[in-house]
Amino acid sequence: KAGVTQTPRYLIKTRGQQVTLSCSPISGHRSVSWYQQTPGQGLQFLFEYFSETQRNKGNFPGRFSGRQFSNSRSEMNVSTLELGDSALYLCASSPGTGSYQETQYFGPGTRLLVL
Amino acid sequence: GDSVTQMEGPVTLSEEAFLTINCTYTATGYPSLFWYVQYPGEGLQLLLKATKADDKGSNKGFEATYRKETTSFHLEKGSVQVSDSAVYFCALAEGNSGNTPLVFGKGTRLSVIA
Repeated sequence: KAGVTQTPRYLIKTRGQQVTLSCSPISGHRSVSWYQQTPGQGLQFLFEYFSETQRNKGNFPGRFSGRQFSNSRSEMNVSTLELGDSALYLCASSPGTGSYQETQYFGPGTRLLVL
Repeated sequence: GDSVTQMEGPVTLSEEAFLTINCTYTATGYPSLFWYVQYPGEGLQLLLKATKADDKGSNKGFEATYRKETTSFHLEKGSVQVSDSAVYFCALAEGNSGNTPLVFGKGTRLSVIA
């Protein structure tokens, strides 16, 4: 099976712009989660989507949003970019049973640099 | 809230040395525990997991045992290789909620020198 894919891999934006990142989960997986990784804050949960619905949300401002399509592919959007949004954005997919025992499989990430 | 604490390193070892990376957790319920590894420029890969007390996860020579009494999940490997150089993350998923975002430790950077 192909793994989780994320596009683009690298992105450079300027403050105030907006950005959209894309994630394609492993075939058959219905849950997609997004995480932000920074040197200072580490790995932090952004949100999770299942069956096109946001099922859980982390503690991030409303500038961060996402959606999921009927084929389980997901996008996340960051509006009005700030310098502090520079990070590696990781997408993870899982079957979506909601079980705490379920393994999440991560993609290679999109590295966003905000200038 | 839930949290994971792990030694931050960096940890530098010689090839064939014994590795221990400590991880302790705080959770209200009975979480599943995971170790993920991140190689330079890549995403996270699952290394091993354990879903209940006294379970031992193992993979590629790495092992970790879920210790409920000490709320720990220390990662060990008997003989490290240069190729094991990476950042290791301990994580938990809380068992009480239906939706289970992972809570990660800060990561431990391991460098193995020949």
